[in-house]
Amino acid sequence: AQSVTQPDIHITVSEGASLELRCNYSYGATPYLFWYVQSPGQGLQLLLKYFSGDTLVQGIKGFEAEFKRSQSSFNLRKPSVHWSDAAEYFCAVGTFSGGYNKLIFGAGTRLAVHP
Amino acid sequence: DAGVTQSPTHLIKTRGQQVTLRCSPKSGHDTVSWYQQALGQGPQFIFQYYEEEERQRGNFPDRFSGHQFPNYSSELNVNALLLGDSALYLCASSLRFGLAGPDTDTQYFGPGTRLTVL
Repeated sequence: AQSVTQPDIHITVSEGASLELRCNYSYGATPYLFWYVQSPGQGLQLLLKYFSGDTLVQGIKGFEAEFKRSQSSFNLRKPSVHWSDAAEYFCAVGTFSGGYNKLIFGAGTRLAVHP
Repeated sequence: DAGVTQSPTHLIKTRGQQVTLRCSPKSGHDTVSWYQQALGQGPQFIFQYYEEEERQRGNFPDRFSGHQFPNYSSELNVNALLLGDSALYLCASSLRFGLAGPDTDTQYFGPGTRLTVL
């Protein structure tokens, strides 16, 4: 069965420090992978996506993610975190059936940023 | 260009009541999906509509039903509300998988409707 695991429930970093959020997926075919961010009380904003091609993808707000098929991972990174990055981050895999897609999400990682 | 919009923002209902949530997709999108996000959890897929028909359904009971209109907007209905239905309900729109375009296969989310069942 398809699934997404985000091993870290809560991460705290200092402003200006680097960040890596982990994501592991289980999916039989070539995955479509996404990272979304959710600020408190808000909907989900797409940060970046991977469909095929270059395994290092760039997203908005200075985020990037690297797809590693051998490790079934799609970790999100940012070289220097800003206080405004504090939010919850969700990794998702897109699954397709009969020409229709749906997303399976991980449980999320809550990021806190210390000044 | 308006993104995905949802109404209402918040709702408070009591057990046993029925509720209808509404969603307007992003301009140019033809597919609407609904997700339930319980507190502290990731969103879970409820169902998806394309061409006014339910195309996929997640593991939710028949109390959850939906509709898509000719203008692609959608409604989510929940009957016989339970306390456990309290959640943030998210609507996402997309272009149907396989069709050409930069947004194909990418779901864009609305701000959600917060449902509280007392």
